[in-house]
Formats: sequence, structure tokens, C-alpha cells
Amino acid sequence: DTTVKQNPRYKLARVGKPVNLICSQTMNHDTMYWYQKKPNQAPKLLLFYYDKILNREADTFEKFQSSRPNNSFCSLYIGSAGLEYSAMYLCASSRVGGIDAEQFFGPGTRLTVL
Amino acid sequence: GDSVTQTEGLVTLTEGLPVMLNCTYQTIYSNPFLFWYVQHLNESPRLLLKSFTDNKRTEHQGFHATLHKSSSSFHLQKSSAQLSDSALYYCALKGGRALIFGTGTTVSVSP
Repeated sequence: DTTVKQNPRYKLARVGKPVNLICSQTMNHDTMYWYQKKPNQAPKLLLFYYDKILNREADTFEKFQSSRPNNSFCSLYIGSAGLEYSAMYLCASSRVGGIDAEQFFGPGTRLTVL
Repeated sequence: GDSVTQTEGLVTLTEGLPVMLNCTYQTIYSNPFLFWYVQHLNESPRLLLKSFTDNKRTEHQGFHATLHKSSSSFHLQKSSAQLSDSALYYCALKGGRALIFGTGTTVSVSP
């Protein structure tokens, strides 16, 4: 099974409220990623976990949190949603083994902040 | 920083005609990996092609691409488009830890 699952598929949130998105994979991949995709823009890496080590991109460092309670699950947490967080959030996983490691993507969660 | 440019936002063509999607990149890394990902409607992005070797043609599922480091390009081609090729195509680059995507090209193939 090479699927990455994301829940929920659609999320409606109010400004100022927290948001928690969930991703899971059963491929025993050691690396899991979160990307943000806005219309007419490229998917942008927000953060990734290599095993238990969290790496966050510098320009989104303070906006997103994440946890990885076990190898299979990874969450993306927004403490206080703003309108600018409305986007598609894509989760991906890979088995580290070089820079050519294929990333397997989930179907995405579409977040709308009102 | 690293970047990937896909000049066409939308490509429309008739079934049976050739397809070429442009991809150029900028990177500080001397040996980047280049990828093409494809996303069909209501599906997840999945890997189509990848390459590391300069001037070597890579093929998969009827598509092919050649990495040209001299021109920093990795254009995707197919000799004869099929209806099932209608999708969103991303070119992506990896030199360090992050996968850098282009904005994507939507291909629409009609009968």
C-alpha cells in the first residue's frame, strides 16, 4: 500500500481558532513532509520530520507546529488561523536514501478560513 | 535561492498531437535532481520522471525528459497526447533538503 492518507479532506475554520490536520502512512517511511499550496502558486514546503527530528522552514517557522507521535502519523497545527492560511495542505512521505528519494503524496486537505 | 520556472500555465491540445512542457531551474547545487510529478483530477501528485544525469534521456509511461545542465532545463515531452494525459504537471528540483516545485502546467487534451 503506497497511499498517504489525510484527514479531514476539507476543513472550515474561523479566524483566530486553532486548526489541526492529520496525515498517516503505512509504508514505514522515515520522513514526512507538509506543503502549502495556494492557487497559481507552487507547493511550498512548510516543514518535515526526519524520524523524530522536526525541521521547519525559516519563513514559516513561527506559523506552523507539528508533531509525530509515531512513525505513521504526523500532524500540522495552526494555533490561530488567519485568512492567509486558506490553502491546500499536502502531506508527503519518503524513505530517506538520497536526494532522489520519491515522495508519496496524500490527496490534500483544503482549509478555508473565514 | 533555488527556483523552478514553468512558463505555461495551461496547455490545450488535441489528442494525438505532441506535448512539450517547459521547465527551467536555478540552483546553487552542482548536482541537483530534477523531477516531474503529475496530478490527475481528485488524485494525489505522483512521480512521473526523475533525473540526475546530464544529457541522458529518461522515459516513463510514454513521457520523456532530458536534463540539460548547460541550459538548466528539464522539459517534458510526449510524442502523442492521450485523453488520459489531462492533468496538472509539476516540475521540481532537489539539491538540498527541500523539494522546490514550479507553479505547475495544466494540460487539457481534447478529442
